Amino acid sequence: QVRLQQSGPALVKPSETVSLTCSVSGVSITSYYWSWVRQPPGKGLEWIGYIYYIGSPNYNPSLKSGVTISVDTSKNQFSLTLSSVTAADTAVYYCARISPRDVFQSHYYMDVWGEGTTVTVSS
Amino acid sequence: DIQMTQSPSTLSASVGDRVTISCRASQGISTWLAWYQQKPGKAPKLLIHRASSLESGVPSRFSGSGSGTEFTLTISSLQPDDFATYYCQPYNSPYTFGQGTKLEIK
Repeated sequence: QVRLQQSGPALVKPSETVSLTCSVSGVSITSYYWSWVRQPPGKGLEWIGYIYYIGSPNYNPSLKSGVTISVDTSKNQFSLTLSSVTAADTAVYYCARISPRDVFQSHYYMDVWGEGTTVTVSS
Repeated sequence: DIQMTQSPSTLSASVGDRVTISCRASQGISTWLAWYQQKPGKAPKLLIHRASSLESGVPSRFSGSGSGTEFTLTISSLQPDDFATYYCQPYNSPYTFGQGTKLEIK
């Protein structure tokens, strides 16, 4: 059974860089597409981007630059890095697996989610 | 980009009620729509894909319908565990979610 376990800092200072990791167990990370979604306090879901183990990641064009998603196949995990963070990056960050059902039609939705990591940007 | 509009934003209902949540797309998306349930402090949970296909383990009181631009999520008889926020997502257009519908206890 696939399980996603998230890790990363809870508190980050403005202008710093934060990295979050999602460790995948139960399946090979090379078998699926993976994504990051965030949720600011009291607000809705915002899809940050997604990645496959080969090729380039894809990012939400509405987000500012400084977002990087990467995969480490040797550790069966993927990561999200946000640089030059501001208070607007304060959110719960979720990693998720993209369902394989319709992925080859470039149709993506998330069928397995991590538990979420709360990241607060504050000095 | 496709925009999704959910209505209502908040819905007050009682246990046993039949409730319907609507999701409207700014352009046709066939049946490429997913519904998620999110409880406070928890990750979203996939309920339905392809507008009407129930995920394994999801109670049969949940159902989805629609195609093109108009979609509905229906809960036939509300249970205490169903009070949550529901999101729709058109999955032929990445990065888009509906704004959510909060289902509250009346």
